[in-house]
Amino acid sequence: DAGVIQSPRHEVTEMGQEVTLRCKPISGHDYLFWYRQTMMRGLELLIYFNNNVPIDDSGMPEDRFSAKMPNASFSTLKIQPSEPRDSAVYFCASSPGTPYNSPLHFGNGTRLTVT
Amino acid sequence: QKEVEQDPGPLSVPEGAIVSLNCTYSNSAFQYFMWYRQYSRKGPELLMYTYSSGNKEDGRFTAQVDKSSKYISLFIRDSQPSDSATYLCAMMDSSYKLIFGSGTRLLVRP
Repeated sequence: DAGVIQSPRHEVTEMGQEVTLRCKPISGHDYLFWYRQTMMRGLELLIYFNNNVPIDDSGMPEDRFSAKMPNASFSTLKIQPSEPRDSAVYFCASSPGTPYNSPLHFGNGTRLTVT
Repeated sequence: QKEVEQDPGPLSVPEGAIVSLNCTYSNSAFQYFMWYRQYSRKGPELLMYTYSSGNKEDGRFTAQVDKSSKYISLFIRDSQPSDSATYLCAMMDSSYKLIFGSGTRLLVRP
């Protein structure tokens, strides 16, 4: 079991550029979550999917953010255009069942710096 | 006011000490309570999970929930340098949104 795999580990980009973060969940996990972590706001849920369908995107900060899950083994989080305030660590997590009784397995995150 | 409040620390203790980490919350709909541990430059990993009020023990770790006071705690007995990490409380209501505290940084000195 390779765990949740995120790429890239680090991303440095200039303001205005498009950024795409990638996630491969653990095989067989039906739920996928995208979180953002900053010193000021801690871990915030951005969006989550169940069986590749977006269920709740109320945490997505604004229209510049979009997330897709084209199949059970891949998800992307895109920021276009990026801004310095988007600098954070972005985590992807997956779960084999409902979060009530199934732990979230987190990847090691993508550290995004927007200059 | 944040839904979940957690002292950021850092908390520095000598090896072998008993550590107490705490969170308070405001949403009485929260029913599921968890503690995650996060090492530097890693994702959080689940430590403890509780549903009801009361205590749950797992080795050196004890999770305590007091729903009447909206207060949860994590106790670590015989703390080890390898316990040095950030500890995040997390809680959930009937939705699937897991709300995290800001985390408490713990340092266990050898």
